[in-house]
Amino acid sequence: DIQMTQSPSSLSASVGDRVTITCQASQDISNYLNWYQQKPGKAPKLLIYDASNLETGVPSRFSGSGSGTDFTFTISSLQPEDIATYYCQQYDNLPSFGPGTKVDIK
Amino acid sequence: QVQLVESGGGVVQPGRSLRLSCAASGFTFSSYGMHWVRQAPGKGLEWVAVIWYDGSNKYYADSVKGRFTISRDNSKNTLYLQMNSLRAEDTAVYYCARDNGYYDYVWGSYRFKFDPWGQGTLVTVSS
Repeated sequence: DIQMTQSPSSLSASVGDRVTITCQASQDISNYLNWYQQKPGKAPKLLIYDASNLETGVPSRFSGSGSGTDFTFTISSLQPEDIATYYCQQYDNLPSFGPGTKVDIK
Repeated sequence: QVQLVESGGGVVQPGRSLRLSCAASGFTFSSYGMHWVRQAPGKGLEWVAVIWYDGSNKYYADSVKGRFTISRDNSKNTLYLQMNSLRAEDTAVYYCARDNGYYDYVWGSYRFKFDPWGQGTLVTVSS
């Protein structure tokens, strides 16, 4: 099975800060990786697919990059509405999720 | 608009069974694969199962294989998850999600995209 790790597990940043989350796969998954946002008490929402493609309607401050085993998710300018937990998901074989990164405002 | 509404959750004793439903609307249900994903209280997301658009293929996480069965009724626009031999560790919010992915003809592979998700239904396994 492919194992996913994320770092950090949580972070606190100021409004307007650049926020970066990393996701690492236990084996090469090419770019078979998505990123989801889950706000408290809500269902997850797809933000980035195929490692770097922005889902329709998602603000351009969100971006993703990477391939192989190492991936990065970035919020270019953190907004109050971005308070959430962010999950990477691989689908090289059957899908699995990373453990999540909780983002809040300092 | 596209909508997924789960139902059927509740409190159940260990070893008993429960069936979840996910009612779909706002899109051609029979054209999309569907997933179940669960989230234990205060924990992360765990993929549970997927069913192809026509029910021809089904895959499960190892943690539920042999106990859970995913199915669908395209005439009723409804997805199901039959959960048998429930354990305390199955306690979670269960989400259904549409597979809005696509076949990548360049790489010869299917690319999953879970979008959208339902609001979830809570299953509590406890004596």
